[in-house]
Amino acid sequence: AQKITQTQPGMFVQEKEAVTLDCTYDTSDQSYGLFWYKQPSSGEMIFLIYQGSYDEQNATEGRYSLNFQKARKSANLVISASQLGDSAMYFCAMREGINTGNQFYFGTGTSLTVIP
Amino acid sequence: GAVVSQHPSWVICKSGTSVKIECRSLDFQATTMFWYRQFPKQSLMLMATSNEGSKATYEQGVEKDKFLINHASLTLSTLTVTSAHPEDSSFYICSALLLASYNEQFFGPGTRLTVL
Repeated sequence: AQKITQTQPGMFVQEKEAVTLDCTYDTSDQSYGLFWYKQPSSGEMIFLIYQGSYDEQNATEGRYSLNFQKARKSANLVISASQLGDSAMYFCAMREGINTGNQFYFGTGTSLTVIP
Repeated sequence: GAVVSQHPSWVICKSGTSVKIECRSLDFQATTMFWYRQFPKQSLMLMATSNEGSKATYEQGVEKDKFLINHASLTLSTLTVTSAHPEDSSFYICSALLLASYNEQFFGPGTRLTVL
């Protein structure tokens, strides 16, 4: 089974509007971390936001927020007030367990296009 | 923030030659670094986990004799693609694990390898 599932291969959003990128995960561990990364056309992976499995509050970082629904095993990324520079690939990732050396599992990504 | 560099950013080589890619954590020490491979419009595929001072751990299906990894210091890991062939052409990304805050991975900018 896929550890991370991103069901939206491509998304479009009007500039200044909000957009939600979906991510569901599969793990039997109680302790895990969820991450979102942005990959522009240049290729570099940019860390956006983190949610720990024990965090009770949804993580927020500027215009990014993570809608964490633990029972549904979902960790959707919400981008508010979209900007043209937000056009990029977005990857959801998970690290299982408490071992900091554990590998990350990445989803297949969502390509976001912001329309002026 | 934590910065990871990769060198070279792109390389073109002839079939049969070897190519070395360097990954450096510039402002922090990384006992663990990861090497990923990414095909166009696909997700990151973990190739191996590199631990300073010990042998790398390779993922299933990744030839350790083909992709030599050396993590000689806390700030440098190298990936050598030996006897490269056109099918090795890909985007290679390294990341370094920062043991603080969220214990997230910080990614290098990637190296685009083209084997003729």
